[in-house]
Amino acid sequence: NAGVTQTPKFQVLKTGQSMTLQCAQDMNHEYMSWYRQDPGMGLRLIHYSVGAGITDQGEVPNGYNVSRSTTEDFPLRLLSAAPSQTSVYFCASRNWGTGGGGGEKLFFGSGTQLSVL
Amino acid sequence: DAKTTQPPSMDCAEGRAANLPCNHSTISGNEYVYWYRQIHSQGPQYIIHGLKNNETNEMASLIITEDRKSSTLILPHATLRDTAVYYCIVRVPGGSEKLVFGKGTKLTVNP
Repeated sequence: NAGVTQTPKFQVLKTGQSMTLQCAQDMNHEYMSWYRQDPGMGLRLIHYSVGAGITDQGEVPNGYNVSRSTTEDFPLRLLSAAPSQTSVYFCASRNWGTGGGGGEKLFFGSGTQLSVL
Repeated sequence: DAKTTQPPSMDCAEGRAANLPCNHSTISGNEYVYWYRQIHSQGPQYIIHGLKNNETNEMASLIITEDRKSSTLILPHATLRDTAVYYCIVRVPGGSEKLVFGKGTKLTVNP
């Protein structure tokens, strides 16, 4: 299994441009999520999904859009990039609804480093 | 989900045990303790989790106090590759999906 794959690894945008960060997982996980991480900060949840066609907002959803048309893919769209969105973005996935605590293990991608000028 | 408190940084000598504390004094009876680590801007990696019994796997041991208000992650023989930020999280399985990562503990393993 490749696990969680994020593309691109690096991206530079100009203010106002739009783009989509790609995330794909091959573990048949129902739950997928996007986090952003700023220097010296922990990870902050942007959006998450518990299955195809179901998405919800996290802590910092403004300026981002998501959709989940398949189990495997969960793209994150920046509608009009702003310098405040300069960050490292991580996608994560896990099984949904597995009891006993063990099913709660999140698997993370390697991240996308985004700079907005 | 209960809030956790961790020291911002710790140092450890290579080959010695690294003991990382986490305070979760408001933990409820059905909340599990999870530990993740993040090595130099890579994606976080799951380490271990537990409810009330001590747990051990190939990566680490987790010691949870009897009152469950705190826990300690133990890396028995720390190596330079264990230098990372370690996150302690408590949550109810199947509960809120807004899994919150705090700032964690930056562990530096010194040669």
